[in-house]
Amino acid sequence: DAKTTQPPSMDCAEGRAANLPCNHSTISGNEYVYWYRQIHSQGPQYIIHGLKNNETNEMASLIITEDRKSSTLILPHATLRDTAVYYCIVRVGGTYKYIFGTGTRLKVLA
Amino acid sequence: DAGVTQSPTHLIKTRGQHVTLRCSPISGHKSVSWYQQVLGQGPQFIFQYYEKEERGRGNFPDRFSARQFPNYSSELNVNALLLGDSALYLCASSPGGPGEKLFFGSGTQLSVL
Repeated sequence: DAKTTQPPSMDCAEGRAANLPCNHSTISGNEYVYWYRQIHSQGPQYIIHGLKNNETNEMASLIITEDRKSSTLILPHATLRDTAVYYCIVRVGGTYKYIFGTGTRLKVLA
Repeated sequence: DAGVTQSPTHLIKTRGQHVTLRCSPISGHKSVSWYQQVLGQGPQFIFQYYEKEERGRGNFPDRFSARQFPNYSSELNVNALLLGDSALYLCASSPGGPGEKLFFGSGTQLSVL
């Protein structure tokens, strides 16, 4: 099973792009990368996921390196409500087993 | 539409007791997963059920068990509680089949004294 490594904390100015890195150097070919975030006392909320290609949705963009050993979540215009713990997760292909790391605590500053 | 609902929201038990946590998935979702989140750490996978069958199990002792009912709701049972079982227990549902994102409930906060 792949594991992920994230910086423990980051700050970002409101209105600026927040770029959250994740290392998953032992990821296998059939393992997806998911990003969730967790606001205090709530359950994790899905943001985006990908296998090989870059992905974009209404919340964020996901950039996966060509060798798939790392990825970056981009929140294009961070707001105060984006303050949360962000988890980069590897899901073992064909299963529901999500391997969470310790996450990055993002603080958006006014 | 209602999201994933878990009950109770908070629970206090003493060592050695047994506890049952309940989860109702989003309507139409057939898969339920359980996660344990210790303070300051990410959630850890415990179980996954699909169509009432166990489809995955994490590295937890046999004191942990679960089941899924015909209406797709689920129970997580923990026997012989230890202090280290104190955690937030999260339930997540999905429509079914691999490749789908999970929808998490707000969890049950279990404190073992």
